[in-house]
Amino acid sequence: DTGVSQDPRHKITKRGQNVTFRCDPISEHNRLYWYRQTLGQGPEFLTYFQNEAQLEKSRLLSDRFSAERPKGSFSTLEIQRTEQGDSAMYLCASSPSGQTANTGELFFGEGSRLTVL
Amino acid sequence: SQQGEEDPQALSIQEGENATMNCSYKTSINNLQWYRQNSGRGLVHLILIRSNEREKHSGRLRVTLDTSKKSSSLLITASRAADTASYFCATVVPTGGGNKLTFGTGTQLKVEL
Repeated sequence: DTGVSQDPRHKITKRGQNVTFRCDPISEHNRLYWYRQTLGQGPEFLTYFQNEAQLEKSRLLSDRFSAERPKGSFSTLEIQRTEQGDSAMYLCASSPSGQTANTGELFFGEGSRLTVL
Repeated sequence: SQQGEEDPQALSIQEGENATMNCSYKTSINNLQWYRQNSGRGLVHLILIRSNEREKHSGRLRVTLDTSKKSSSLLITASRAADTASYFCATVVPTGGGNKLTFGTGTQLKVEL
């Protein structure tokens, strides 16, 4: 399978614990995005990488959230001291290099669903 | 924050009927895209329309864009039960980073046999 893969697909944790999600983008894609989606809502942008550089972070990304893409390939999203409000689907997407502003299709993974008890 | 609203929030039709979903957005855009999401799954890109285009077709999909009204519509013709999903519009804005998408709130479509 050569699509975007995310792991784990489901995570149940207790409030206050740390969780980490991993995203493996399509191999030739140099852009990687994280989104968060709560029930009944559209995805909301969290952060974006071009290669290993984190170029933009949303105000939604509090100090408890950190994302990395150390070698410009896979990315991790860590949430420290989880709160019940962090319960959501965390979606990763990637896009190929060389896209112009008039293209811009994103390829999404299946998401990692987080439930904080 | 969401870029815009979608209307209706939910739509239920019979197989074979057409489904129309509308999307409104707030700022100038480079392009507008429509995505589909099956329950509990990731999003799948359906179609992209550039800001200088007014209408685009892909198979059973027809998308229109009216930049003066900041609105778009997605028409699915001859719907099938397999079209049951949530549909989201998403915009790329000129000052946005990379190809960052800002999504609407979505329309839940149910196609009944």
